[in-house]
Amino acid sequence: DQQVKQNSPSLSVQEGRISILNCDYTNSMFDYFLWYKKYPAEGPTFLISISSIKDKNEDGRFTVFLNKSAKHLSLHIVPSQPGDSAVYFCAASRGGAGGTSYGKLTFGQGTILTVHP
Amino acid sequence: DAGVIQSPRHEVTEMGQEVTLRCKPISGHDYLFWYRQTMMRGLELLIYFNNNVPIDDSGMPEDRFSAKMPNASFSTLKIQPSEPRDSAVYFCASSLAGGAKNIQYFGAGTRLSVL
Repeated sequence: DQQVKQNSPSLSVQEGRISILNCDYTNSMFDYFLWYKKYPAEGPTFLISISSIKDKNEDGRFTVFLNKSAKHLSLHIVPSQPGDSAVYFCAASRGGAGGTSYGKLTFGQGTILTVHP
Repeated sequence: DAGVIQSPRHEVTEMGQEVTLRCKPISGHDYLFWYRQTMMRGLELLIYFNNNVPIDDSGMPEDRFSAKMPNASFSTLKIQPSEPRDSAVYFCASSLAGGAKNIQYFGAGTRLSVL
């Protein structure tokens, strides 16, 4: 049962244009969502996050949108740069201190983004 | 801070051999996670610890896998005996409860090849 899904294995975008990466989740208990970026031969690195009490969070060229009713989030990169080429993972977590779920992230399969010069 | 440190970076072994992967979390972090990344299954959580105590090991594939955290600065993931299907990249990550919520910091990973 895959609770976090990234249905697009890959995305190709021209430099300067917008990149939109999508993520769907099924567990309504998730209340915090994160995006990670991964370059080859490196570990994933945190990019941006959003709490379920918000519907948008922006950090420079990166914006994450959350649609709770649709259980959908997206990452927008504007403008896209060749250095953004990487694998992007969506992750979700349940809040509340303690318990077996606290701190645990459930990851999607990842989307390979290629930004062409 | 040096970040999460994993060793070795690459491991090549023969089927049936014991493999031990090592991880040093970020100093002060109280959560430690072991993940496995494969093409088929993506990034899957194997086990995680809080204050050196295993909290959830439901992702450990079978009894051949074991993980320990003898102290706050060291953890191991052991596979005995190893099989070719264990070939994957294994990541360790750490996080701080009460810090930037649920943000995990990953090591560079260990690429395991079982021949």
